[in-house]
Amino acid sequence: DAGITQSPRHKVTETGTPVTLRCHQTENHRYMYWYRQDPGHGLRLIHYSYGVKDTDKGEVSDGYSVSRSKTEDFLLTLESATSSQTSVYFCAISESGEGGYTFGSGTRLTVV
Amino acid sequence: AQSVTQPDIHITVSEGASLELRCNYSYGATPYLFWYVQSPGQGLQLLLKYFSGDTLVQGIKGFEAEFKRSQSSFNLRKPSVHWSDAAEYFCAVAKYNNNDMRFGAGTRLTVKP
Repeated sequence: DAGITQSPRHKVTETGTPVTLRCHQTENHRYMYWYRQDPGHGLRLIHYSYGVKDTDKGEVSDGYSVSRSKTEDFLLTLESATSSQTSVYFCAISESGEGGYTFGSGTRLTVV
Repeated sequence: AQSVTQPDIHITVSEGASLELRCNYSYGATPYLFWYVQSPGQGLQLLLKYFSGDTLVQGIKGFEAEFKRSQSSFNLRKPSVHWSDAAEYFCAVAKYNNNDMRFGAGTRLTVKP
């Protein structure tokens, strides 16, 4: 999607290794979000950010941490990946507290 | 916390037929409601949103949705489906500031020629 990119697009990693996913935006939006998508669950919020260095937990935050040192970048880290974290991860941005989100194209993460 | 139920996991309609996708939400106050569409391998795209006012909202690609508070529903409709509408559709509900948007499990739409 225009203005928001996720990297990498695909990653295979081993259980117990750390993994960092990156979300980069060029829209200068205040809010950024990390979701995971799993069959039968829709999308579930992991963490979100409402400004530089301002983050909060979402519905499924255990095992994940985030950082936002710049407006444009929001990093999601799996400190020690587990097979249950195999999923598709989406980043989203929002300009304000209203309006819908703009989503990135996703990162498919496989933990073996 | 707010929640969303999409009762239909998979729906198949013929091209040119009308479409209605169901969405029920649970939230104590007036919700912010959204419909998103996801094509295979892609992220989600916003179709339409409801915050307040007219309960019938128009979106992109010819979609509309109607908010019915008495039924806690926000169903998505389209009068004539095109083959390109085949995708997965997600309903979502949020509180004010929508920093905790909750999504339904999705409805996969198949369009028959």
